[in-house]
Amino acid sequence: NAGVTQTPKFQVLKTGQSMTLQCAQDMNHNSMYWYRQDPGMGLRLIYYSASEGTTDKGEVPNGYNVSRLNKREFSLRLESAAPSQTSVYFCASSDPRGATVMNTEAFFGQGTRLTVV
Amino acid sequence: AQTVTQSQPEMSVQEAETVTLSCTYDTSESDYYLFWYKQPPSRQMILVIRQEAYKQQNATENRFSVNFQKAAKSFSLKISDSQLGDAAMYFCAYRPRPYSGGGADGLTFGKGTHLIIQP
Repeated sequence: NAGVTQTPKFQVLKTGQSMTLQCAQDMNHNSMYWYRQDPGMGLRLIYYSASEGTTDKGEVPNGYNVSRLNKREFSLRLESAAPSQTSVYFCASSDPRGATVMNTEAFFGQGTRLTVV
Repeated sequence: AQTVTQSQPEMSVQEAETVTLSCTYDTSESDYYLFWYKQPPSRQMILVIRQEAYKQQNATENRFSVNFQKAAKSFSLKISDSQLGDAAMYFCAYRPRPYSGGGADGLTFGKGTHLIIQP
């Protein structure tokens, strides 16, 4: 049972380059999320998707775009990477708001460490 | 917007002793979930314990228990009989529950507490 799978695990980009972080889940969850984690800042929500075909901004969406390709996959794109986007990125999935307590936790991928030089 | 505050950047405890990690939050909603996640050096986010806001009873999971004070908006984590494997970053997180056709989703996290276990 793979859970949430992110690729790649590590990436170094030059300023101005673009890239897409891939995420897939096999738990049949409706909701998917992208977070970034910076030292001393905890995890902050970039974008989320409550269902296939819908996406919404989170706390720190600037400089990112997302695509909910289907129920399983949710990708994060950096069109023109900046050093301020150096971070660890996590994808997560869960049942939607309103679910029972046993199904409301978020399941996380292993994270992608991205360095922009 | 909701906020989650963890006021202890770092805590240290002797192996086999008990430690309590603090978390406070701010929300205008009455129905929500609270979580504690553990992040070891492997970076993996692991759920430790969950609590429903409308349940008065404090959640427990083996050596882990919470003290949930809804009126005070406080949600502390107690780890009993601390073990070396408990060493990690611990994050408190909040998620609103009611779904009335809209509204923001996602977990709001605190900045974390680094827990050190002294052998």
